[in-house]
Amino acid sequence: KAGVTQTPRYLIKTRGQQVTLSCSPISGHRSVSWYQQTPGQGLQFLFEYFSETQRNKGNFPGRFSGRQFSNSRSEMNVSTLELGDSALYLCASSSGKFYEQYFGPGTRLTVT
Amino acid sequence: AQKITQTQPGMFVQEKEAVTLDCTYDTSDQSYGLFWYKQPSSGEMIFLIYQGSYDEQNATEGRYSLNFQKARKSANLVISASQLGDSAMYFCAMRPSGSSNTGKLIFGQGTTLQVKP
Repeated sequence: KAGVTQTPRYLIKTRGQQVTLSCSPISGHRSVSWYQQTPGQGLQFLFEYFSETQRNKGNFPGRFSGRQFSNSRSEMNVSTLELGDSALYLCASSSGKFYEQYFGPGTRLTVT
Repeated sequence: AQKITQTQPGMFVQEKEAVTLDCTYDTSDQSYGLFWYKQPSSGEMIFLIYQGSYDEQNATEGRYSLNFQKARKSANLVISASQLGDSAMYFCAMRPSGSSNTGKLIFGQGTTLQVKP
């Protein structure tokens, strides 16, 4: 079974631009969660989508948004990029079982 | 507030020896899950082991075992027979209770483990 895939793997954007990151979960998994990892703040939960609905949201500004499609693929969007948005963005998928959460390789975003 | 604490920013271990990575957690939930992940320099988070709060036995997965002490709210990871490939950052994480939290993990700050040949 293929793992969680994320595209692109690396991205460089300019402050003020917007960016869209994509995540394809493990086949059959309906839950996709997004996390931001920075050296200063560590790993922080952004949001989770389950069956195309946002089920949970972390403490991030409205510039961070996401969506999930009927095939469970998810996209995350960050508008009006700031330098502090430079981070590794990780997506994780689950079938909904309490003990599952499998991560993708991440997208490393650099904002200049 | 729910929190995970990993007090060891960095650790060294000799190859083939065992090592324990500490993790303590703070929660008022009765039902929760505890995870350990390994993150090599490539960035991918690799799932290692899971322990449910109601599990009576300590979880084991190959060379990894989780020393779960519920009363002390600790969930230490034990790696036996360390290998050079174990050098990485290790994260302890907790999933709060509630069906709306099945996709949410709270992470500690991580411990960098270096295995010496």
